[in-house]
Amino acid sequence: DTEVTQTPKHLVMGMTNKKSLKCEQHMGHRAMYWYKQKAKKPPELMFVYSYEKLSINESVPSRFSPECPNSSLLNLHLHALQPEDSALYLCASSPLGLAGNEQFFGPGTRLTVL
Amino acid sequence: KNEVEQSPQNLTAQEGEFITINCSYSVGISALHWLQQHPGGGIVSLFMLSSGKKKHGRLIATINIQEKHSSLHITASHPRDSAVYICAVRWWGGSQGNLIFGKGTKLSVKP
Repeated sequence: DTEVTQTPKHLVMGMTNKKSLKCEQHMGHRAMYWYKQKAKKPPELMFVYSYEKLSINESVPSRFSPECPNSSLLNLHLHALQPEDSALYLCASSPLGLAGNEQFFGPGTRLTVL
Repeated sequence: KNEVEQSPQNLTAQEGEFITINCSYSVGISALHWLQQHPGGGIVSLFMLSSGKKKHGRLIATINIQEKHSSLHITASHPRDSAVYICAVRWWGGSQGNLIFGKGTKLSVKP
């Protein structure tokens, strides 16, 4: 199994809602990432987990709350989002250890905040 | 952040043409990635390079570490190759997973 899966594919939520994005991989990768991508822009790194611990938080607002319950799963909990948070949210995973290990990306969740 | 520059930004080709997309970067890197993204879709990793050349089907990627330059070539292009191609580098000063992305090259292949 060499893929990263993400659910849901699409999500529409109001500014008062609480929702979660889910990412899963079974490649044994111990690094997992959340990226945010606005239209016609490259992805922006949000969070990195290494060995299920948060290692990088790129100054992301607290309305985004990541969670890595085990080595295969990565969640992104959303609460009180703003319309400008509407974007494609991409998950990725990679092996740890060597610099420049290839990242495997998921298909993304397209989020619309009303 | 160190810049990754791609050229051209947009490229239109006729089916069957040979296509080249270029990527230049400014500092020492540990790896360079070529990624493909179809409209509205997720990202697919095409190649990861640290030296030399790689080939997969009609796609060829080369890198010249001394010149800090990489190229992605598509032979016998097809309309299904229409996508955004993104160059991303892992630079030696970066932490785990911190890729620096180029702005992408939007390729449109006409039948």
